Amino acid sequence: GQQVMQIPQYQHVQEGEDFTTYCNSSTTLSNIQWYKQRPGGHPVFLIQLVKSGEVKKQKRLTFQFGEAKKNSSLHITATQTTDVGTYFCAGPMDSNYQLIWGAGTKLIIKP
Amino acid sequence: KAGVTQTPRYLIKTRGQQVTLSCSPISGHRSVSWYQQTPGQGLQFLFEYFSETQRNKGNFPGRFSGRQFSNSRSEMNVSTLELGDSALYLCASSSGLAGGQSSYNEQFFGPGTRLTVL
Repeated sequence: GQQVMQIPQYQHVQEGEDFTTYCNSSTTLSNIQWYKQRPGGHPVFLIQLVKSGEVKKQKRLTFQFGEAKKNSSLHITATQTTDVGTYFCAGPMDSNYQLIWGAGTKLIIKP
Repeated sequence: KAGVTQTPRYLIKTRGQQVTLSCSPISGHRSVSWYQQTPGQGLQFLFEYFSETQRNKGNFPGRFSGRQFSNSRSEMNVSTLELGDSALYLCASSSGLAGGQSSYNEQFFGPGTRLTVL
């Protein structure tokens, strides 16, 4: 069936280092969404990418959608403690409105 | 605009009991999706309701059921609770209407109901 794979599962970084999470879909996606879930919180929508090769920036966060619309990435430059949480990608199934979610990447700042 | 509300926020039940969780979506949203999240796990899709009809369903046993009312509020029911049902149950609302073939409406999540089964 249609799947969205997300790696890595965890990433430990020193504050100030960069962070990247990747999503790969088994099929072409019409769009991809990114969400952030803080510890103890609920997922919050960050952004949606729709166009092939699209790149969007939100301050230190850079989101990319692959040319083939089968992969996407989120890159955070110079991480801060406020970036801690789990980042999820999600894309719609071909046949209906259901979103398929990646397993998430947990960003951990080393003490 | 008020956000998505879920009640109760915390619930403790024993095995074999049943439970009903409630979700009130953002005003004007017609779609409510339910997810189960366990520690270290991603979001497992349960089902989605749109205009009182179940539009999509995940791979959960029949003990998990839901419904949606005419005001878009939704309830989820779990019967014959098992220890493995302990989880955070999240609902998310959206307009549910795709804006053309290449877009999909963002989902707004509620704070969740944390269910503990003893």
